[in-house]
Amino acid sequence: DQQVKQNSPSLSVQEGRISILNCDYTNSMFDYFLWYKKYPAEGPTFLISISSIKDKNEDGRFTVFLNKSAKHLSLHIVPSQPGDSAVYFCAALNQAGTALIFGKGTTLSVSS
Amino acid sequence: DAGVTQSPTHLIKTRGQQVTLRCSPKSGHDTVSWYQQALGQGPQFIFQYYEEEERQRGNFPDRFSGHQFPNYSSELNVNALLLGDSALYLCASNQGGIYGYTFGSGTRLTVV
Repeated sequence: DQQVKQNSPSLSVQEGRISILNCDYTNSMFDYFLWYKKYPAEGPTFLISISSIKDKNEDGRFTVFLNKSAKHLSLHIVPSQPGDSAVYFCAALNQAGTALIFGKGTTLSVSS
Repeated sequence: DAGVTQSPTHLIKTRGQQVTLRCSPKSGHDTVSWYQQALGQGPQFIFQYYEEEERQRGNFPDRFSGHQFPNYSSELNVNALLLGDSALYLCASNQGGIYGYTFGSGTRLTVV
């Protein structure tokens, strides 16, 4: 059973608009979440993270929101750029702090 | 500053054979983790090494084993290869309790 779920396999957005990528988790003990971006033939690259003591974290064009009661987080990219086209993975850190538990990823396509 | 380097980049093996994958962590990092990414899935945690010891293991059979050397580099060994072992194997490194894992580009293993 998947503990981290990304239910949208793909998302298409126009350049300049907002991209919203969603992620749900089942284990209420998770307290640290990360987003990674992956281009073909490259490893995942860390984007942004959030601790459960916060409900929002911002870094430039990227903002992550956390709703603990709903066990839901989202990544907002504003404005979206063609270079943002990639696979985005949501991950939760396990309680021991030793492993990342990933969702299946969402493929974002930003058209110009 | 070199990031995480993995070798080889691609590998084709026959069912029943054994394979060794190698990883050099990012400079300054002392912890190495291995992940398996099957097609269409997110990376799945295999195990983590710290101070040359396996610190935590994911849900993988004993056919998967590893090692960490005094210079922090690591190897992943898989025995008795199955067709289902075909995947991208990712190595990630981090420094102690800092959760900003850096991933390598991976080794694409194909078992025929």
